[in-house]
Amino acid sequence: EIVLTQSPGTLSLSPGERATLSCRASESVSSSYLAWYQQKPGQAPRLIMYGASSRATGIPDRFSGSGSGTDFTLTISRLEPEDFAVYYCQQYGSSLWTFGQGTKVEIK
Amino acid sequence: QITLKESGPTLVKPTQTLTVTCTFSGFSLSTHGVAVGWIRQPPGRALEWLALIYWDDDKRYSPSVKSRLTITRDTSKNQVVLTMTNMDPVDTATYYCAHSDLVRVAEGRSGGMDVWGQGTTVTVS
Repeated sequence: EIVLTQSPGTLSLSPGERATLSCRASESVSSSYLAWYQQKPGQAPRLIMYGASSRATGIPDRFSGSGSGTDFTLTISRLEPEDFAVYYCQQYGSSLWTFGQGTKVEIK
Repeated sequence: QITLKESGPTLVKPTQTLTVTCTFSGFSLSTHGVAVGWIRQPPGRALEWLALIYWDDDKRYSPSVKSRLTITRDTSKNQVVLTMTNMDPVDTATYYCAHSDLVRVAEGRSGGMDVWGQGTTVTVS
């Protein structure tokens, strides 16, 4: 199965700053079938990005995704208070789907 | 509008079998391309993908728990059931089900798991 490694584990930033989250796969992700989810405490995850670079419905354009093959990035251009959360990447390009271990974006 | 809701016991004893049910609306699991998956999350830890069942009854399981899992569907009831045998305290987690549409994925209009249930918390003790 494809192993996804996210870095950093925790990102301490202030509102208005730029956040850059990384997701690295142990092998190439087919068709860039890479998604990002946002999870806030006590809530279910929410899909925010799919196909590596397409925003899900209702996701603001300060969120952007990039990458292909084994290296993917989620960027939040200017952090809003509601963006502080845990972010997970997931690949769905192989028959066995997997998640990364998450990156927590916390208020500095 | 697609909705999913998980249900099941809140407490199970070690060695028992867990059965959790996902009841959904707004789609049919008989429709080409549709899939429902199960994901769990131990307290304070990461998401773990467990299993997926497709519209054609094809099934996939995470290798780490494959020997203990069974995923089934009841299309007449709009339900997907996950059973996990030989439960252990390390299986304590919130169990989520989620929807995926592989036709929309192939068309580039969606991806991964686009709608999630609220989750059901299971404690093994």
